[in-house]
Amino acid sequence: AQSVTQPDIHITVSEGASLELRCNYSYGATPYLFWYVQSPGQGLQLLLKYFSGDTLVQGIKGFEAEFKRSQSSFNLRKPSVHWSDAAEYFCAVGGVSSASKIIFGSGTRLSIRP
Amino acid sequence: DADVTQTPRNRITKTGKRIMLECSQTKGHDRMYWYRQDPGLGLRLIYYSFDVKDINKGEISDGYSVSRQAQAKFSLSLESAIPNQTALYFCATSDNDSGTSGYEQYFGPGTRLTVT
Repeated sequence: AQSVTQPDIHITVSEGASLELRCNYSYGATPYLFWYVQSPGQGLQLLLKYFSGDTLVQGIKGFEAEFKRSQSSFNLRKPSVHWSDAAEYFCAVGGVSSASKIIFGSGTRLSIRP
Repeated sequence: DADVTQTPRNRITKTGKRIMLECSQTKGHDRMYWYRQDPGLGLRLIYYSFDVKDINKGEISDGYSVSRQAQAKFSLSLESAIPNQTALYFCATSDNDSGTSGYEQYFGPGTRLTVT
């Protein structure tokens, strides 16, 4: 069965510092992988996605993520965070089958230290 | 205008009451989903529909029912609300073509439901 683990519940980084949010998945075939962001009081917005091609994907707001099949990981990175990046971040995995659904991780809450 | 809309945005109701949450979309997508979000648990799938005639239970469907009135409309009902159904509820849509989207989901703004 497919699953997603986000091991960090809450992370605090200083403004201007680099960021890496971890995501590990379990899936029996080539997965589709997503990162979503949820700002306070808002719905979820897609940051980036991977389902084929280059394993380093670029997203909106300066985020990127790298798919590492050998480690079953899809970690999200940003070289320099801004106060506006404070939000909850969700990793998700889906599949190529037409019957596939997307499974979400439990989320990582990011706080920014001034 | 937003592509995925949810009504109401906030609702307080009493235990035992029936309540309906509505979702409409203008994206032309066939697939629609209902999730609930609880702190520390992420998003959990309640029901999903791959087209108007297709309704499927998700991982936490007990106590909920749905209706797909049209391609653009997907409603979630709580037949007899209970306090542990207090949560943030999201509707989402995706298209049928995985080739370019990977079944990427587009979310509504959410409905905050409180059952007292």
